[in-house]
Amino acid sequence: QSALTQPPSASGSPGQSVTISCTGTSSDVGGYNYVSWYQQHPGKAPKLMIYEVTKRPSGVPDRFSGSKSGNTASLTVSGLQAEDEADYYCSSYAGGTNVFGTGTKVTVL
Amino acid sequence: EVQLVESGGGLVQPGGSLRLSCAASGFTFSSYWMHWVRQAPGKGLVWVSHIKGDGSRTNYADSVKGRFTISRDNAKNTLYLQMNSLRAEDMAVYYCARAEVAGGFDYWGQGSLVTVSS
Repeated sequence: QSALTQPPSASGSPGQSVTISCTGTSSDVGGYNYVSWYQQHPGKAPKLMIYEVTKRPSGVPDRFSGSKSGNTASLTVSGLQAEDEADYYCSSYAGGTNVFGTGTKVTVL
Repeated sequence: EVQLVESGGGLVQPGGSLRLSCAASGFTFSSYWMHWVRQAPGKGLVWVSHIKGDGSRTNYADSVKGRFTISRDNAKNTLYLQMNSLRAEDMAVYYCARAEVAGGFDYWGQGSLVTVSS
């Protein structure tokens, strides 16, 4: 049950795109199409942004998109906006349990 | 409107016990897996445990196995986490969250802070 690996930080200017990686193993990310992504602002509960690798819940802007290749999943935020500045976490099913990523702080320059 | 409201957090000494509750409303509680996720101060999210809608299946992170017990009362629409033999490293905000077994936590509570200190 090791945490999935994410870069500690990522940044971009307003209007630019930023991509966050999430690396696991064949026992979690690579083994299932059950990767999800969460946005968390300081002092707030996490918010679901992407589920089942590529699906967006109702109300999440289409600027947020997900993908996966092998044991690595990615979240891309296009057209960065000031309100996108937050911590982002990936999560994956791991065959009977769930595991989260180490988290990435996204800064909008 | 789906709502999850945690309660029961507080200050406890190392080795002590605490029971968290999560009151659910706005959806058919018994139809959903429910999870506990924790976040130590300044740290990342960590999955703790989950329970099937009818309570027949549960699982735990290795770090809490044998010390924590998840349960639910579908008549009261309430999820529980019994925490025993608490350690300093268990200190965190504990969130309850709704999801299927494979994740996709679509609703979260506001969190309940558990402080373990002498």
